Amino acid sequence: ETGVTQSPTHLIKTRGQQVTLRCSSQSGHNTVSWYQQALGQGPQFIFQYYREEENGRGNFPPRFSGLQFPNYSSELNVNALELDDSALYLCASSLGDRGLSPLHFGNGTRLTVT
Amino acid sequence: AQTVTQSQPEMSVQEAETVTLSCTYDTSENNYYLFWYKQPPSRQMILVIRQEAYKQQNATENRFSVNFQKAAKSFSLKISDSQLGDTAMYFCAFMKQGGTALIFGKGTTLSVSS
Repeated sequence: ETGVTQSPTHLIKTRGQQVTLRCSSQSGHNTVSWYQQALGQGPQFIFQYYREEENGRGNFPPRFSGLQFPNYSSELNVNALELDDSALYLCASSLGDRGLSPLHFGNGTRLTVT
Repeated sequence: AQTVTQSQPEMSVQEAETVTLSCTYDTSENNYYLFWYKQPPSRQMILVIRQEAYKQQNATENRFSVNFQKAAKSFSLKISDSQLGDTAMYFCAFMKQGGTALIFGKGTTLSVSS
């Protein structure tokens, strides 16, 4: 069973740039959720994708967007990067979209915005 | 809106001892799930234990058990026979039934020493 994999592991960008983070879900999972974890804080929900559609969104601006592909892998795109976007971005996959199936997390992508 | 509060930023314990991590939450929902996640330095968020609010019996997973007090909105984690590998950040999290987002607390850093 392949777990959740995220790429890249680390990334440094400049304010105003755009970034794409990638996530491969665990085999058999059809739901992907993205979380932002600032240093020393708990993760905050960005959005969830279920069967290629956005299925729920947290309190993040529209410059945070995503995609889910037919193989259930996913991308998180952030435009017009700000210094406060520096964080660990976690992807989690699950089966179904309503909390019945446990979330399996990847190791995250550490984004630094300078 | 739901909130999760972990009032202990840091805790330390000796190997083989027992430690309890506290968590309180606020919600107007009647049906929901509560979780404890562990995040070691590898950054991967690992599910430790899960509790359904409709179940009165406290969940247990080997050395890990919870004390779920629904009326008090309290959900503490007890780790028995602590091991060095238990050293990690521990997050309490909430998800309403039918929801898509995990709401995390700020975490408790647990250090287990020999």
